[in-house]
Amino acid sequence: EAEVAQSPRYKITEKSQAVAFWCDPISGHATLYWYRQILGQGPELLVQFQDESVVDDSQLPKDRFSAERLKGVDSTLKIQPAELGDSAMYLCASSPPPGAGGARVGDTQYFGPGTRLTVL
Amino acid sequence: AQTVTQSQPEMSVQEAETVTLSCTYDTSESNYYLFWYKQPPSRQMILVIRQEAYKQQNATENRFSVNFQKAAKSFSLKISDSQLGDTAMYFCAFMKHNTDKLIFGTGTRLQVFP
Repeated sequence: EAEVAQSPRYKITEKSQAVAFWCDPISGHATLYWYRQILGQGPELLVQFQDESVVDDSQLPKDRFSAERLKGVDSTLKIQPAELGDSAMYLCASSPPPGAGGARVGDTQYFGPGTRLTVL
Repeated sequence: AQTVTQSQPEMSVQEAETVTLSCTYDTSESNYYLFWYKQPPSRQMILVIRQEAYKQQNATENRFSVNFQKAAKSFSLKISDSQLGDTAMYFCAFMKHNTDKLIFGTGTRLQVFP
């Protein structure tokens, strides 16, 4: 069964350094999401892509975070400079376009294993 | 704005027993979707069950079922015949109709013991 891939699985960095996370969604999934999950909380959407376009980045701290999905396939989330409060799990998810294989709006989002970031 | 509340940070249940996880939500929308996601330790989050608000019938997936009370804005998950593999964080989530933005609760950590 196809899965969402993320790397690295774990990242330790010092504050003020730059970090980058990579996500490869399930093939054919047009929509890609990046979530941040702080310990003890539920995931919070950072950015959503439809193909290569940003649909929602209202919760993305744009002064230090950036995300891209240049060819509408895989995606990179970057933090520069990292701060202590950025320590969290960063989850990537994807979902098929409505109509594809019977998919509907509100259909399942498929999550990757996440990247656990620790900022020292 | 929509909010999702899970008031049970931790629950435990003995293997083969039944457990119910609670979830309430707040919205002014009439059409939406509700989800329960499972996040096992060190593994990815997977969908457990999905409910469409316009459907009165409660969703069921094998040992998992929901009690959807639209007027009360309540969406509880019942796990029957609990298994050790059910040990995980469980997140309740809300999605407004015609969007695909999930809003998650804070989660309930479920421990199934032998």
